[in-house]
Amino acid sequence: EVQLVQSGAEMKKPGESLKISCKGSGYNFIEYYIGWVRQMPGKGLEWMGIISLRVSELRYSPSFEGQVTISGDKSLSTAYLQWSSLKASDTAMYYCARRKLGGPVDAFDIWGQGTMVTVTS
Amino acid sequence: EIVLTQSPATLSLSPGERATLSCRASQSISNFLAWYQQKPGQAPRLLIYDASNRATGIPARFSGSGSGTDFTVTISSLEPEDFAVYYCQQRSTWPLTFGQGTRLEIK
Repeated sequence: EVQLVQSGAEMKKPGESLKISCKGSGYNFIEYYIGWVRQMPGKGLEWMGIISLRVSELRYSPSFEGQVTISGDKSLSTAYLQWSSLKASDTAMYYCARRKLGGPVDAFDIWGQGTMVTVTS
Repeated sequence: EIVLTQSPATLSLSPGERATLSCRASQSISNFLAWYQQKPGQAPRLLIYDASNRATGIPARFSGSGSGTDFTVTISSLEPEDFAVYYCQQRSTWPLTFGQGTRLEIK
């Protein structure tokens, strides 16, 4: 079964660091980009950035550049999203999703289950 | 950045009725538009890609159309499980962007 499995919910304090993960299985992980999407409580979807481990491409939305770091590990078929210093406004559900750029289905066709990040003092 | 504007914000219909949801882009995006469905407590699900292609496993009652700046997704006869929030998303230009969503609710 093709799936993306994300790490579990996190509760952190402002100023703390955090790294969440997204592990792919059931397909050739490096053939697809992995994107990250934020959904704040009760709000819509916001695209944060995307990484390709095959062509070493990394793009961020201007809204998130400098605020988060996206990375990945080919050997573990895993992508990561990290913060160096969390703020209360980072409280949200974070989704990863795969996309085959230029493929027959060039859209986010498989999504992770989401990781809820809560930042509170 | 391309802005996608969805309308209406909320659509109230009954099962069996036809639903038409719209998405307008701030500049031409050819057919590089996808639609996603999100139910409460769930991750989004791909419905339509490249404006008019149904994703794997999506029922035939869902159809997409449009090109350039104006797009629609139509549900021909609403089933109870179709009541959800729908988002459009463009891949024409970086950064990728989503519309703000249309909530389809039971009347």
